[in-house]
Amino acid sequence: DSGVTQTPKHLITATGQRVTLRCSPRSGDLSVYWYQQSLDQGLQFLIQYYNGEERAKGNILERFSAQQFPDLHSELNLSSLELGDSALYFCASSAEGDDNYGYTFGSGTRLTVV
Amino acid sequence: GQQLNQSPQSMFIQEGEDVSMNCTSSSIFNTWLWYKQEPGEGPVLLIALYKAGELTSNGRLTAQFGITRKDSFLNISASIPSDVGIYFCAGQLWGYALNFGKGTSLLVTP
Repeated sequence: DSGVTQTPKHLITATGQRVTLRCSPRSGDLSVYWYQQSLDQGLQFLIQYYNGEERAKGNILERFSAQQFPDLHSELNLSSLELGDSALYFCASSAEGDDNYGYTFGSGTRLTVV
Repeated sequence: GQQLNQSPQSMFIQEGEDVSMNCTSSSIFNTWLWYKQEPGEGPVLLIALYKAGELTSNGRLTAQFGITRKDSFLNISASIPSDVGIYFCAGQLWGYALNFGKGTSLLVTP
């Protein structure tokens, strides 16, 4: 158990729908990162939150949004889902905002859009 | 983000063999990290490197931060079946999120 908790583990939904993925960071970690992993693209950085504020944005689509709450858990919202959004979504956390000691990853949420 | 080229894409080896994989970038990084991912799990940090030229070991794993700061390699000695998984390199520039390579898939036969 890495200490980073992601729910749900699996999600199957239809095109056009909206889903919310949840992440609880490791105790004491202030930064949360969201990554998308697909077979052909590897791990793609989506967005980072640090202590409730958006810190950095990567290749995140406009249909996707995220937030980090006062208790530091984070949610990734995916809307108007398309078949191509099917992927593994990972949350990672680190102690600081510019942490170069590596991130701790959760086990991921596997999203299947049908 | 910066493009990381990781090779080889996959390796199929026999137990006991040594393994080598590398990662190159067109840009410099301040930190290089190597992660391993097993089925159904997230990536787990194996080794972190912070200085150009640094060579670091973790058991049978050895990694080096290239002198140009644009590359890194990972060696696994005397491989065992539980080494099976996907190995990712990741580079980090201070103030930016980790950039990952596309991974090297390792299969080890007994």
